[in-house]
Amino acid sequence: GENVEQHPSTLSVQEGDSAVIKCTYSDSASNYFPWYKQELGKRPQLIIDIRSNVGEKKDQRIAVTLNKTAKHFSLHITETQPEDSAVYFCAASKQAQKLVFGQGTRLTINP
Amino acid sequence: NAGVTQTPKFQVLKTGQSMTLQCAQDMNHNSMYWYRQDPGMGLRLIYYSASEGTTDKGEVPNGYNVSRLNKREFSLRLESAAPSQTSVYFCASTQGGQPQHFGDGTRLSIL
Repeated sequence: GENVEQHPSTLSVQEGDSAVIKCTYSDSASNYFPWYKQELGKRPQLIIDIRSNVGEKKDQRIAVTLNKTAKHFSLHITETQPEDSAVYFCAASKQAQKLVFGQGTRLTINP
Repeated sequence: NAGVTQTPKFQVLKTGQSMTLQCAQDMNHNSMYWYRQDPGMGLRLIYYSASEGTTDKGEVPNGYNVSRLNKREFSLRLESAAPSQTSVYFCASTQGGQPQHFGDGTRLSIL
């Protein structure tokens, strides 16, 4: 089955700097890769997703890149703000069914 | 439009007790999921239902049963609760390859 590895487990950046979180997956049949943000005690909320037919997707300060050959994808957050502090999860699946999640990255934005 | 609603929000059980976690969605989604999230970890799939009348095991099904009561409702049952089942349980739903929407979670402690 699918296995997703996420790095780093913790990340601390200065406000205004960029943050990058990386994930690798094992199943080449996976074609849907969402990123979720989870604040303490809250539900995971989708922030961006990418499908295997594109290599990059951007939404304001957030972007995701996908390398199908190497089976890895990354989340990029630019101009970080204090409200970006949270735990971020990547996931992989086929057709958005049965998500397999990474272990999470705790991102801290220092003022 | 409430999205995905989970009840109860919190529950404390004694080892060996049974209980049912309820999930309902009002988005007319075909697919519904139950995940568990342990401290410091990503979500892991327990069971899912691709459509009304069907259910299937996920990554960690042992100790659980599910019922897809109708298109709206998908319940998770613990027949004989164990301390290892202490976790936060999230229900999610989706339709046609779209992103999964999560409920607020049920925080379950088993003593």
